[in-house]
Amino acid sequence: SQTIHQWPATLVQPVGSPLSLECTVEGTSNPNLYWYRQAAGRGLQLLFYSVGIGQISSEVPQNLSASRPQDRQFILSSKKLLLSDSGFYLCAWSEYKNTEAFFGQGTRLTVV
Amino acid sequence: GQNIDQPTEMTATEGAIVQINCTYQTSGFNGLFWYQQHAGEAPTFLSYNVLDGLEEKGRFSSFLSRSKGYSYLLLKELQMKDSASYLCAVRVGRRQNFVFGPGTRLSVLP
Repeated sequence: SQTIHQWPATLVQPVGSPLSLECTVEGTSNPNLYWYRQAAGRGLQLLFYSVGIGQISSEVPQNLSASRPQDRQFILSSKKLLLSDSGFYLCAWSEYKNTEAFFGQGTRLTVV
Repeated sequence: GQNIDQPTEMTATEGAIVQINCTYQTSGFNGLFWYQQHAGEAPTFLSYNVLDGLEEKGRFSSFLSRSKGYSYLLLKELQMKDSASYLCAVRVGRRQNFVFGPGTRLSVLP
């Protein structure tokens, strides 16, 4: 069966520090991968998606970047965090079409 | 552009039935999905509609009308543990991305 792992679960980082969140998927190959951010009490905002290794599309211009160095690994990064980067970050995967997305446990990021 | 609308909050009583509506206007349609999200946790998949009509899964049912851009999630025999946010999402376009609505926060009262 397929599983998705995302870490860390919580993170407190000072303004201006770098960020690296990692997500890995097991039990499937060539998945679509997604990074979402959820502000408190709000819906999910799509940040990045990837349909294959090295293929990254950004939905919203921002202080963040994403990379997919391996088929089932998706990394969210920032060189210098802003206060506005605080939020709940969710990694997700899906098959190419007509199926649901499965979410990792999420990372609660607080920038102080 | 993509627009998905849901009521912000709903309240219902334990044992009752509640219907959560979702309307959408999207460029392309590859299915409508409902997710449940408890506070502080990741969303979990509930149901999926790609054709018009009703899909039933135990206490949960979901309905879709593609011509009206409308769906609802029906929860029967409400339990306290059903208190959560319910997210409507549409899979769109050639890239098969998921666009989420703002979510409906449901409170189940004793």
